[in-house]
Amino acid sequence: GESVGLHLPTLSVQEGDNSIINCAYSNSASDYFIWYKQESGKGPQFIIDIRSNMDKRQGQRVTVLLNKTVKHLSLQIAATQPGDSAVYFCAEIRDTGANSKLTFGKGITLSVRP
Amino acid sequence: EAGVAQSPRYKIIEKRQSVAFWCNPISGHATLYWYQQILGQGPKLLIQFQNNGVVDDSQLPKDRFSAERLKGVDSTLKIQPAKLEDSAVYLCASSLGGRLSSYEQYFGPGTRLTVT
Repeated sequence: GESVGLHLPTLSVQEGDNSIINCAYSNSASDYFIWYKQESGKGPQFIIDIRSNMDKRQGQRVTVLLNKTVKHLSLQIAATQPGDSAVYFCAEIRDTGANSKLTFGKGITLSVRP
Repeated sequence: EAGVAQSPRYKIIEKRQSVAFWCNPISGHATLYWYQQILGQGPKLLIQFQNNGVVDDSQLPKDRFSAERLKGVDSTLKIQPAKLEDSAVYLCASSLGGRLSSYEQYFGPGTRLTVT
């Protein structure tokens, strides 16, 4: 079936380095992609989004890249900080006409070494 | 502005018992969602309400799960009877509403359920 998934379950980076979190999706009809950050004991928090007709979007210290040819999404975090330690999820939104549906992939844990 | 509130934060029950979770969405948000998040996985949508009507409950195990949003504000999710595989975090989210409501969902802290 259709799915949104992540390549690796954990990622460990040195504080100050850049982090790259990758995600593969299988539904080419997705309209929108979102990256969420989830800290322990909290719900997912919106980080950045990108429409399916774009290939790059930048925010504050974060950049999302979308490659529709290979159905690949990535989140880049510049100058990773200890506060970035969390589980990250990519998610897709499909507009079904009458409604829009958010589907999450599996999470990847980002661990920042001091 | 206050966020999405959920209670209780933690619950431990034995299998075959019943349990209920409560959610208070952000004021003015017409759309409310319940998600199940099993450890190590992304949240999975159980049910979506638009005001007090159900929009999508296709992934709700209706033989044991039920949810209601009688006055279009607060919502409760019930499991009766619980099974071991129901151990998960149950997340509530809300959004302003409309066809594109999924784009801006705000999540509560969740209720962690352990079934023994």
